[in-house]
Amino acid sequence: AQTVTQSQPEMSVQEAETVTLSCTYDTSESDYYLFWYKQPPSRQMILVIRQEAYKQQNATENRFSVNFQKAAKSFSLKISDSQLGDAAMYFCAYRSRAAGNKLTFGGGTRVLVKP
Amino acid sequence: ETGVTQTPRHLVMGMTNKKSLKCEQHLGHNAMYWYKQSAKKPLELMFVYSLEERVENNSVPSRFSPECPNSSHLFLHLHTLQPEDSALYLCASSQDPSGRGYEQYFGPGTRLTVT
Repeated sequence: AQTVTQSQPEMSVQEAETVTLSCTYDTSESDYYLFWYKQPPSRQMILVIRQEAYKQQNATENRFSVNFQKAAKSFSLKISDSQLGDAAMYFCAYRSRAAGNKLTFGGGTRVLVKP
Repeated sequence: ETGVTQTPRHLVMGMTNKKSLKCEQHLGHNAMYWYKQSAKKPLELMFVYSLEERVENNSVPSRFSPECPNSSHLFLHLHTLQPEDSALYLCASSQDPSGRGYEQYFGPGTRLTVT
C-alpha cells in the first residue's frame, strides 16, 4: 500500500525568507502523480503544485517549487519569499492509476510565518 | 473559491440524531468524494462516486450513508454517530477519476461535533 510521510509537524519561517517542507512516499508504481495542497485556517484546501512522476523537470508555480527525487521517493516543497498569506497546513499527496486514482495524503505540516 | 460548496459549515448533533451533509459542485465534474479529516490524522477517503455510481467505499461504518442523485450533488447521511466521528468532513470533485492527472477541488468542509 502507498504511504505518504511528512516528518515535520510544524515549520516556522520569517517573512520574505525561504522554507522547505519535506515529504517522502512509498510505492512500487512507476506512473503516478504527486501534489502539494494548502489548507489555510478555516478555508478551503487548494492545490499548490503538482508533479508527474514521468517528468524529470521539477515543477514550479511562482514562489512555490518542488525538488522531486524519484529514486529517493522524496518530494519536497520550497516556498520562497514567504508571505503572511502562506501560513497554512500543507499536505503532500500521492495518486496513481494502479491505486484507482485515489489520493493518499500525508499528515500535514503547519507553516507559521513571522512578520 | 474553488467551485465546491458545502452546507452546513458547522453541525452539532447528538448520538441519536439523523442529519445530512450536502455538497454541490459548479465545475462540471463527474466524480465526487467524501473525506474525513480528524485532528492529528491524515485525511481519510470515505467514498468516491463517478458518474453517479459509487466506486469506492473505504470500509466506512454503515452509520455513514452517501447519496449522489446527480453529478453536481453529493450527500452524506448521518445517523447514530459516535463522539469519535467528530471531525471535519470534506467534499471534493474532479473529472472522471479514471482519467490522467485530474486534480481534485475541495469544498470548505463541515465541522461536525457529536455530543
